[in-house]
Amino acid sequence: AQSVTQPDIHITVSEGASLELRCNYSYGATPYLFWYVQSPGQGLQLLLKYFSGDTLVQGIKGFEAEFKRSQSSFNLRKPSVHWSDAAEYFCAVGAGSSNTGKLIFGQGTTLQVKP
Amino acid sequence: GAVVSQHPSRVICKSGTSVKIECRSLDFQATTMFWYRQFPKQSLMLMATSNEGSKATYEQGVEKDKFLINHASLTLSTLTVTSAHPEDSSFYICSAQIYGTKLYEQYFGPGTRLTVT
Repeated sequence: AQSVTQPDIHITVSEGASLELRCNYSYGATPYLFWYVQSPGQGLQLLLKYFSGDTLVQGIKGFEAEFKRSQSSFNLRKPSVHWSDAAEYFCAVGAGSSNTGKLIFGQGTTLQVKP
Repeated sequence: GAVVSQHPSRVICKSGTSVKIECRSLDFQATTMFWYRQFPKQSLMLMATSNEGSKATYEQGVEKDKFLINHASLTLSTLTVTSAHPEDSSFYICSAQIYGTKLYEQYFGPGTRLTVT
């Protein structure tokens, strides 16, 4: 069965420092992978997605992620974190048959940004 | 564009009563909507997939008689928690897939906080 693991429940970084949030997935075929951000009072917002092709994916707000099949990973990175990046981050994998659109989410990582 | 709203944003109800949560796509048509449940500091768990004009498909372990889903139009899906109990207290989130777009292109509502006393 498909699954997603985010090993880090909580991460604290200083503003301006680089960030990497880890995501590992379990899926038999080539996965569809996503990163979402959840801020209080707002819906989940898609940061980026990987379907195929170039394994380094650029997203919004300066985020990028790299798909590594050999490591079953899809880690999210940002070179310089801003205070406004403090939020909950979810990695997700597209699941089920090809036409269901179902997503399986990881446990989430809470990002705290120190001034 | 692609805005999804939920109403109410938070609701408190007494044990044994029913509560309805609405999910609306404001500026697009959604043939498919998804309902998730999120416990504090935990992941989103898919409860059911709702397709306009047909019965919802529930995930394993989700009681369909307790969580009634109606997707009566291309812009509205409702989740009714029947005979609510304190263990049903949670954060309920819907998402909507734009009709005719790529698979997995979903837009999420801001969520509804349900507290059952």
